[in-house]
Amino acid sequence: EIVMTQSPAILSVSPGDRATLSCRASQSVSTNLAWYQHKPGQAPRLLIYSASSRAIGIPGRFSGSVSGTEFTLTISSLQSEDVAIYYCQQYNNWAGTFGQGTRVEIK
Amino acid sequence: EVQLVESGGMLVRPGESLRLSCAASGFKFDNFDSFGMAWVRQAPGKGLEWVSGISASGDNTYYADSVQGRFTIFRDNSKNTVFLDMKTLRAEDTAVYHCAKDYYGSGTYYGWFDPWGQGTQVTVSS
Repeated sequence: EIVMTQSPAILSVSPGDRATLSCRASQSVSTNLAWYQHKPGQAPRLLIYSASSRAIGIPGRFSGSVSGTEFTLTISSLQSEDVAIYYCQQYNNWAGTFGQGTRVEIK
Repeated sequence: EVQLVESGGMLVRPGESLRLSCAASGFKFDNFDSFGMAWVRQAPGKGLEWVSGISASGDNTYYADSVQGRFTIFRDNSKNTVFLDMKTLRAEDTAVYHCAKDYYGSGTYYGWFDPWGQGTQVTVSS
């Protein structure tokens, strides 16, 4: 099983500042990685797929990048509505595994 | 806009069975039968866990090790609905179960999802 490890567990960022979230795969998943935003009581929402492609309707402040097995989600200027838990998911094989999540808070 | 609505979650005792349903609507260009579908769950205080997936035709199905042999995913494309049959339920199956649609629709199963449903609560307790 491919293990996805996210860091940090909790990220506190001031409004307007940059938020950087990390996700590491235990083995190569190529660029087969997605990022989701999950707010309490709501359905998870796809932000990024193929490591760096923004899904339709996602604001430009969200971006994804990859270096080997290290993936990064960047929120360039944090807004209050971005408070949520963010999950990475590899889909290199059909048994897609999720990271444990990073909670983003407003400082 | 595609919408997914799950139903069927409830309180059951360990060892019992349950069937979840997910009704899809709002397809404008590609039909329901073009997309793979999946179930993903979230146990209390835990993160997301992929449970099962199915290809657009239903010919290919996939399961997490934790549910292999106990859960069965299937779909009725004439009713735009995907199901999850759960047998021999355990306390550790307690979770909110989300239905999710493959982002792309070309018949195969891709395994990354948009949109998702809000979920249905399954509680396994004596």
